[in-house]
Amino acid sequence: DAKTTQPTSMDCAEGRAANLPCNHSTISGNEYVYWYRQIHSQGPQYIIHGLKNNETNEMASLIITEDRKSSTLILPHATLRDTAVYYCIARGGSQGNLIFGKGTKLSVKP
Amino acid sequence: EAGVTQSPTHLIKTRGQQATLRCSPISGHTSVYWYQQALGLGLQFLLWYDEGEERNRGNFPPRFSGRQFPNYSSELNVNALELEDSALYLCASSSRTGGLETQYFGPGTRLLVL
Repeated sequence: DAKTTQPTSMDCAEGRAANLPCNHSTISGNEYVYWYRQIHSQGPQYIIHGLKNNETNEMASLIITEDRKSSTLILPHATLRDTAVYYCIARGGSQGNLIFGKGTKLSVKP
Repeated sequence: EAGVTQSPTHLIKTRGQQATLRCSPISGHTSVYWYQQALGLGLQFLLWYDEGEERNRGNFPPRFSGRQFPNYSSELNVNALELEDSALYLCASSSRTGGLETQYFGPGTRLLVL
């Protein structure tokens, strides 16, 4: 699975959009981009995933660049409950397991 | 639909003892994954079970073992506990083998080794 790079931390004002970037320049054609988040000491929560098209669900939007070397997770109206560590994972699936990096610690401030 | 459940929520053991952690996957899911998250460290993959078989194993010593039962629930056993085994142990499940199905995590078992 390709390595991903994320900023260590980000701040966002409550009610504003949170845009979390992720670089995955070595991603291969069959690797998906997955996003999870972990709220303090809880189990990671699945957010969204995509291959090459932009994706949207009730939680977030995922924008993947045309060359697939980077992506952005967008939380359209961040709330205090969105404060968490967000993990971007490039996953090919042959090994089954997810490989977690250090993620981005998002702090949503009032 | 019930999510992944894990028991116990907390477990306290002393060095050298054995710990058994349990996981029930989402109904219909056949794959179970175990991860360890030690304090200040990232999530590390431990074991993957599917259809009762061990499919993959992370870089952990053999005293970490487990099994999957016919109802797809799973146990993680840690023998000869060491202080550094203190961690949050997370179980995840997915619907199909092949490795690309979305994994859904349980709340975890917090193990403290004294």
